[in-house]
Amino acid sequence: NAGVTQTPKFQVLKTGQSMTLQCAQDMNHNSMYWYRQDPGMGLRLIYYSASEGTTDKGEVPNGYNVSRLNKREFSLRLESAAPSQTSVYFCASRRGDEKLFFGSGTQLSVL
Amino acid sequence: DQQVKQNSPSLSVQEGRISILNCDYTNSMFDYFLWYKKYPAEGPTFLISISSIKDKNEDGRFTVFLNKSAKHLSLHIVPSQPGDSAVYFCAATGGSGGSNYKLTFGKGTLLTVNP
Repeated sequence: NAGVTQTPKFQVLKTGQSMTLQCAQDMNHNSMYWYRQDPGMGLRLIYYSASEGTTDKGEVPNGYNVSRLNKREFSLRLESAAPSQTSVYFCASRRGDEKLFFGSGTQLSVL
Repeated sequence: DQQVKQNSPSLSVQEGRISILNCDYTNSMFDYFLWYKKYPAEGPTFLISISSIKDKNEDGRFTVFLNKSAKHLSLHIVPSQPGDSAVYFCAATGGSGGSNYKLTFGKGTLLTVNP
């Protein structure tokens, strides 16, 4: 049982490049989330999808877009990467109770 | 506006002693609280939770206490072990509409347990 799988694990981009972070869960969870973790800032919610077909902004959505492709997959896209988006990105999911399950993270550097 | 606050960035304790990690919240709509543990280069993992209808929840060496009137919760680890060394995040959720889907996290406390 893989849980929440994120790809890639590491990525280096130049300012202005675009990329998509992929996330898939095999736990049949309804809700999926993207967080970013920065030193001294904790985990901040970027976007979430309460159920298939819906997406909503979190605390720090600017510069990002998301797609809930189906119940399993939730992708995060950076259209024009900026150095301020250098961070560790975590995808998470949950069924309907309150406990979140996290992926292992994507370390992104924007030069 | 930080709704979940962990005011101690770090904590150092001796192996075998008690570790107490604190968390304060400001949103009175929060009704469920969780603690997550995070090792370097890994995703956070769930540790323990508590509903607002309780004031204490235990799971082995871990106990969470909730004081609703003070909007304060704490995580006690007894006895502390070197393997407990990690960043601990407090999180909260609750409220109506979309708020129920979102977990709000504190900034984390780095716990170091010295052998």
